[in-house]
Amino acid sequence: RKEVEQDPGPFNVPEGATVAFNCTYSNSASQSFFWYRQDCRKEPKLLMSVYSSGNEDGRFTAQLNRASQYISLLIRDSKLSDSATYLCVVTLSMYSGGGADGLTFGKGTHLIIQP
Amino acid sequence: NAGVTQTPKFRVLKTGQSMTLLCAQDMNHEYMYWYRQDPGMGLRLIHYSVGEGTTAKGEVPDGYNVSRLKKQNFLLGLESAAPSQTSVYFCASKPSGSMDNEQFFGPGTRLTVL
Repeated sequence: RKEVEQDPGPFNVPEGATVAFNCTYSNSASQSFFWYRQDCRKEPKLLMSVYSSGNEDGRFTAQLNRASQYISLLIRDSKLSDSATYLCVVTLSMYSGGGADGLTFGKGTHLIIQP
Repeated sequence: NAGVTQTPKFRVLKTGQSMTLLCAQDMNHEYMYWYRQDPGMGLRLIHYSVGEGTTAKGEVPDGYNVSRLKKQNFLLGLESAAPSQTSVYFCASKPSGSMDNEQFFGPGTRLTVL
């Protein structure tokens, strides 16, 4: 079983729609959770961290369910500029970046926002 | 600040050739990482370093060696390149013991081994 699993998509969504991504992780000892964004042929960049209480950053909302080992990302009022691959990332460390061990990435979900 | 830089950006090798990828960061970060990304795959950790003079193996270390002689530089070496090492290589860094939620990535090196 893969450590971090995501639906690879692609998700084709009209501009202005709401889209949700899901991710599951296998290691119950995982401590920190993130969504990274990766544009085509570019490096990954942190989009937002994910907390058990849920957190929101503008049009983006992230949720964590530790009991089900499930992470979600919701994008409201999607924009053309949201088109990218969204990477679900977990780590065993309390600190972002996985402390010494690095990050464990899912394969990513490809999102295409259509005008 | 340049952040994390990687050289070269692109390289084509023949099987059996050797090369070194250079990662440099000007943020005074303690931790540095090398990842590879293959089509349809997530990034996978090759090696990492928690400080100058220290290195450790990640998930997929075979066929690679690394060195961290200076805090700002992390080198990834391929002694005898194989077609299976065709990939995009990303370097990343972060400060140690930080609650900051970001690992900073370089722009990547695209390597093709023929």
